[in-house]
Amino acid sequence: GEDVEQSLFLSVREGDSSVINCTYTDSSSTYLYWYKQEPGAGLQLLTYIFSNMDMKQDQRLTVLLNKKDKHLSLRIADTQTGDSAIYFCAEREGGSYIPTFGRGTSLIVHP
Amino acid sequence: EAQVTQNPRYLITVTGKKLTVTCSQNMNHEYMSWYRQDPGLGLRQIYYSMNVEVTDKGDVPEGYKVSRKEKRNFPLILESPSPNQTSLYFCASSLRGTGGQETQYFGPGTRLLVL
Repeated sequence: GEDVEQSLFLSVREGDSSVINCTYTDSSSTYLYWYKQEPGAGLQLLTYIFSNMDMKQDQRLTVLLNKKDKHLSLRIADTQTGDSAIYFCAEREGGSYIPTFGRGTSLIVHP
Repeated sequence: EAQVTQNPRYLITVTGKKLTVTCSQNMNHEYMSWYRQDPGLGLRQIYYSMNVEVTDKGDVPEGYKVSRKEKRNFPLILESPSPNQTSLYFCASSLRGTGGQETQYFGPGTRLLVL
């Protein structure tokens, strides 16, 4: 079955760039998502990318997709303390309504 | 303001006592879904609905029911809750436009403890 893997923790200094990585196994994944979850809150969809794209940029966020290696990354430029949260990667096949989520990466931003 | 609301936010109950968690969205989205989030795991989808009266099972539907009688509401029903249903539950709604554009909103979560 599908599997989505993420590292559990990432610690960065304020102002640096953060790169959160994700690997997935399903070669038919069509949609790949990044979500942010702040403490006590629901998930917020940050961005998504289609499998026919290599990169997507949205303000401080850059998503890179390497389909050959089934590797997805989220880069946050100029990381701020407000970016501290858990970040989830998820994938979904085009014909499916059921996404598969990774376990989440806790991003800690310190001064 | 676009939002998904869930009630209650916190619930403690006992094994076997039927309960319903309500979910409502104000964006006229066709697609709604329920997830559970457990420590060390990502979200897992319980049920989803593509429109009124159209529902289908997600990855972990056992022990749950849903209904979609109106577009805005998508309640989650636990007919006979068990301790392994202790979890954090999220409702979500989304709109998938032409060209693959997608908008998603999640509710704030319902923390359920089944004793």
